[in-house]
Amino acid sequence: NAGVTQTPKFRVLKTGQSMTLLCAQDMNHEYMYWYRQDPGMGLRLIHYSVGEGTTAKGEVPDGYNVSRLKKQNFLLGLESAAPSQTSVYFCASSVTIPGDNEQFFGPGTRLTVL
Amino acid sequence: SQQGEEDPQALSIQEGENATMNCSYKTSINNLQWYRQNSGRGLVHLILIRSNEREKHSGRLRVTLDTSKKSSSLLITASRAADTASYFCATGGNNRLAFGKGNQVVVIP
Repeated sequence: NAGVTQTPKFRVLKTGQSMTLLCAQDMNHEYMYWYRQDPGMGLRLIHYSVGEGTTAKGEVPDGYNVSRLKKQNFLLGLESAAPSQTSVYFCASSVTIPGDNEQFFGPGTRLTVL
Repeated sequence: SQQGEEDPQALSIQEGENATMNCSYKTSINNLQWYRQNSGRGLVHLILIRSNEREKHSGRLRVTLDTSKKSSSLLITASRAADTASYFCATGGNNRLAFGKGNQVVVIP
């Protein structure tokens, strides 16, 4: 099993450009999450999904959109990138409610917006 | 929202020594989890302790939870160079986890 994979690993964007980050998991998990990690800020939840076809806002959703068309995939989109979105993005998944189970993390995507 | 906060922020110890980190939170929780992050990598789950548990062990890890003080501690015994990492606590509730800012541990060989 590959676990949680993220594509791409690195990306540099110019302000105003758009992009989509792809997260895939092969563990048949219901729950999936997108976080961003900034120095000294820990992990902050952007959006999450509790099952195929569902999405919900997390702590810092502005400027991002997500989709969960297939259970195994969770896409994070930036429609018009801003320098403030320079960060490391992590995807994670869990079997059920994270309050009861561990989350499995992908390796991260390092995004720089110039 | 719930949020863990680790204390101290950075710790530097000699190989073989014990490392202790603390975490406090503000609201009621279902459980508390600890994760490790090696430089440039994703987080890896270490241990989960439920709100009705007071202490839990896993290998060289010992976690305690005091719900009356809303705090938890992570002890790593007989540290190794490979334990050099950032350690995060996360509190579980509803559909999400809330992570603290992390605790950087450097183990000097």
